[in-house]
Amino acid sequence: KNQVEQSPQSLIILEGKNCTLQCNYTVSPFSNLRWYKQDTGRGPVSLTIMTFSENTKSNGRYTATLDADTKQSSLHITASQLSDSASYICVVSAPGSGYSTLTFGKGTMLLVSP
Amino acid sequence: NAGVTQTPKFQVLKTGQSMTLQCAQDMNHNSMYWYRQDPGMGLRLIYYSASEGTTDKGEVPNGYNVSRLNKREFSLRLESAAPSQTSVYFCASRTERLDHINEQFFGPGTRLTVL
Repeated sequence: KNQVEQSPQSLIILEGKNCTLQCNYTVSPFSNLRWYKQDTGRGPVSLTIMTFSENTKSNGRYTATLDADTKQSSLHITASQLSDSASYICVVSAPGSGYSTLTFGKGTMLLVSP
Repeated sequence: NAGVTQTPKFQVLKTGQSMTLQCAQDMNHNSMYWYRQDPGMGLRLIYYSASEGTTDKGEVPNGYNVSRLNKREFSLRLESAAPSQTSVYFCASRTERLDHINEQFFGPGTRLTVL
């Protein structure tokens, strides 16, 4: 069964510090991996997407990495801000367009403290 | 573009009542989805529609029905609400690219409480 495991479940860091969130998956075959940010009370919004051939992708202070051999991804947040407080969800896609091609992680809840 | 819109934003029901959650997208996407999100469970797919006139069950369809009214609108109906259906409901639509690098766009959610 395809699975996506995220760690840690939750994290508290001080404003200005860096942090790294992890995503391990068993989805095969693999098409792409996307990180979403979900602010409290809102729907998820895409941060980055990586395909099999990419191993790093940046979006401002967010940098995602992908190791397709070990089936691991990480999301690194640099110089955290209070607005980074949110849930971060890892979603892995298999090839194709059907709904069953998407596997969601349960998310990591990040709280950035002043 | 408004993206994906959902109504209502909040709803409180009594056990046994019925209601319909509305969703619309203006991105001309064929695929639309309904998810529920519960603490510690992540997003779980309730129903899916690949195109106008077609719907398929997802992971947790029991107690729900859907209607794909047209390409823009996809509604979710609770015929007889139960406390276990207390959740946050998200509608989403998805691109369909030939390279399969698709993106889902989510609505703002409906927070439903069933007493």
